Amino acid sequence: AQTVTQSQPEMSVQEAETVTLSCTYDTSESNYYLFWYKQPPSRQMILVIRQEAYKQQNATENRFSVNFQKAAKSFSLKISDSQLGDTAMYFCAFMIKAAGNKLTFGGGTRVLVKP
Amino acid sequence: NAGVTQTPKFRVLKTGQSMTLLCAQDMNHEYMYWYRQDPGMGLRLIHYSVGEGTTAKGEVPDGYNVSRLKKQNFLLGLESAAPSQTSVYFCASSYYWDSPDPNTEAFFGQGTRLTVV
Repeated sequence: AQTVTQSQPEMSVQEAETVTLSCTYDTSESNYYLFWYKQPPSRQMILVIRQEAYKQQNATENRFSVNFQKAAKSFSLKISDSQLGDTAMYFCAFMIKAAGNKLTFGGGTRVLVKP
Repeated sequence: NAGVTQTPKFRVLKTGQSMTLLCAQDMNHEYMYWYRQDPGMGLRLIHYSVGEGTTAKGEVPDGYNVSRLKKQNFLLGLESAAPSQTSVYFCASSYYWDSPDPNTEAFFGQGTRLTVV
């Protein structure tokens, strides 16, 4: 079975500081995408960053970057220079080609950015 | 370009009632999905579709049925609602994996909050 585990239910960080969210996953497939989605109080699901499994280089998007460790099946998200607008639920997910492009999600990490 | 639109946004049902949630996408995506979101459990896949006229079961399909008669629409039905189906429901869509668009991702609707009393 394909599973995604986020071991940190909640995290808090001071504005302008850095926070790292953990994610591990389990699959026997080799061809997949990994994602971090943000869900603010508005409930909308917003893509933060994506990583293709066959790419060695870690993805970055402005203040967001990932540490992708394929052998360890780990995909952590680092938020640098945290802003109040980063307060949200963050979900790690992966999409497997062999599984009909289904997105499998972790349980989420609630991030609170404090002024 | 509206993206993915869900109807309705909120609904309260009595136990035993039926209803249909509508999802419409205007991006010509082949794949469409229905998820439910419950506190502490992330999003769990109910049913999905890999193309017009096709559907398949996800992780938590019991108590739900779906149909995809048109490529742009994916309907989720509850035949006899139960309090355990109180949740937030999300529809999503994505391209077929081998499409030339390198920016593979799933696009989500705004969610439907359903309460069954």
